[in-house]
Amino acid sequence: QQQVKQSPQSLIVQKGGISIINCAYENTAFDYFPWYQQFPGKGPALLIAIRPDVSEKKEGRFTISFNKSAKQFSLHIMDSQPGDSATYFCAASDAGNMLTFGGGTRLMVKP
Amino acid sequence: NAGVTQTPKFQVLKTGQSMTLQCAQDMNHEYMSWYRQDPGMGLRLIHYSVGAGITDQGEVPNGYNVSRSTTEDFPLRLLSAAPSQTSVYFCASSSPMTGFYGYTFGSGTRLTVV
Repeated sequence: QQQVKQSPQSLIVQKGGISIINCAYENTAFDYFPWYQQFPGKGPALLIAIRPDVSEKKEGRFTISFNKSAKQFSLHIMDSQPGDSATYFCAASDAGNMLTFGGGTRLMVKP
Repeated sequence: NAGVTQTPKFQVLKTGQSMTLQCAQDMNHEYMSWYRQDPGMGLRLIHYSVGAGITDQGEVPNGYNVSRSTTEDFPLRLLSAAPSQTSVYFCASSSPMTGFYGYTFGSGTRLTVV
């Protein structure tokens, strides 16, 4: 049972372009939605997170958009750079419980 | 401050062998968990612990055991290794009591069962 669905599985973007990764969830009790970035051979690292009381959160070139009624949230990477090439995971949890992860998106930014 | 430390980084086992993957954190986090990462499957929760002496099963617990005798350590035991357990294993910790809901992950253990 996959409670968090992530798309696309892979994404190729030109340098300077916008990368968009989408996630949808089923459990309406979820109240914490983080995104993780993982480079090859490394563990995932927390990138940015949002709670459902706001519709958008921006940190530098990374923005989370959140649509509570649609049960969807997305990560936008503005001015994508080759150094952003990594695997990105969305996740969700409720009341501090264990995170449920999406399937991951492998992003490649071409120079 | 080392964060979350996992050992070993690589391991090859023969089918039927047992082993323990070690995980230690020095951040005094109360929550610790084990995930496995397989291509196209994301990160799947194996077992987790919300404090010393308390453990529970995640999504894919079969074939694995855990214990949490101290806040710092959360070892994962493979009882009788099977090729289906070939994967990359990640340990993570968090501290909801202090408002840190995001996980800190270790660097992983790449396990191959032949």
